[in-house]
Amino acid sequence: KQEVTQIPAALSVPEGENLVLNCSFTDSAIYNLQWFRQDPGKGLTSLLLIQSSQREQTSGRLNASLDKSSGRSTLYIAASQPGDSATYLCAVRTGNTDKLIFGTGTRLQVFP
Amino acid sequence: GAVVSQHPSRVICKSGTSVKIECRSLDFQATTMFWYRQFPKQSLMLMATSNEGSKATYEQGVEKDKFLINHASLTLSTLTVTSAHPEDSSFYICSAPVTAQETQYFGPGTRLLVL
Repeated sequence: KQEVTQIPAALSVPEGENLVLNCSFTDSAIYNLQWFRQDPGKGLTSLLLIQSSQREQTSGRLNASLDKSSGRSTLYIAASQPGDSATYLCAVRTGNTDKLIFGTGTRLQVFP
Repeated sequence: GAVVSQHPSRVICKSGTSVKIECRSLDFQATTMFWYRQFPKQSLMLMATSNEGSKATYEQGVEKDKFLINHASLTLSTLTVTSAHPEDSSFYICSAPVTAQETQYFGPGTRLLVL
């Protein structure tokens, strides 16, 4: 059974810092991996999608890497801003279904 | 991007009553939709897969008679929490996949409080 874990569970940093959020999964046979952002009491917004054959994806200040063989992904946030404060969730899609298995989340707070 | 809506955004009900939550894909058709549940400061747990025109598929440990799912059209899935109890209080989120984009679009969620 696929299990997805995220470290750290919570993170509080001053703005301007570069951050690394970690995601690990137990079954390396994934179809793709996605990083989402969730603001309090809201739904999810997709940030980056990495296919199993890819090593990384970039969007603006965000860069996500994937090492499928070791079951790890990282989300790098450059020059963090208070507006980045949210919960970040990684999710893996396995096999031939659309099901997503979500990680435990990292609650990020960036203070001015 | 595609838009998924949910209604209501929040609901308070008395214990023992039933509550219906709607999930709509506004600008695309979805033969499949997913229902998730999220407790405070926890991650999303998949409850069931809603299939248009057929029975929903429930994840292990989710009571199908408690959480009734109906997917009557290509743009609407409903989740009914029957005989709700305080422990059913949670944040319920639906999503709909867009196969061509290999991603899912999520609704804004429904916060249910059972008194």
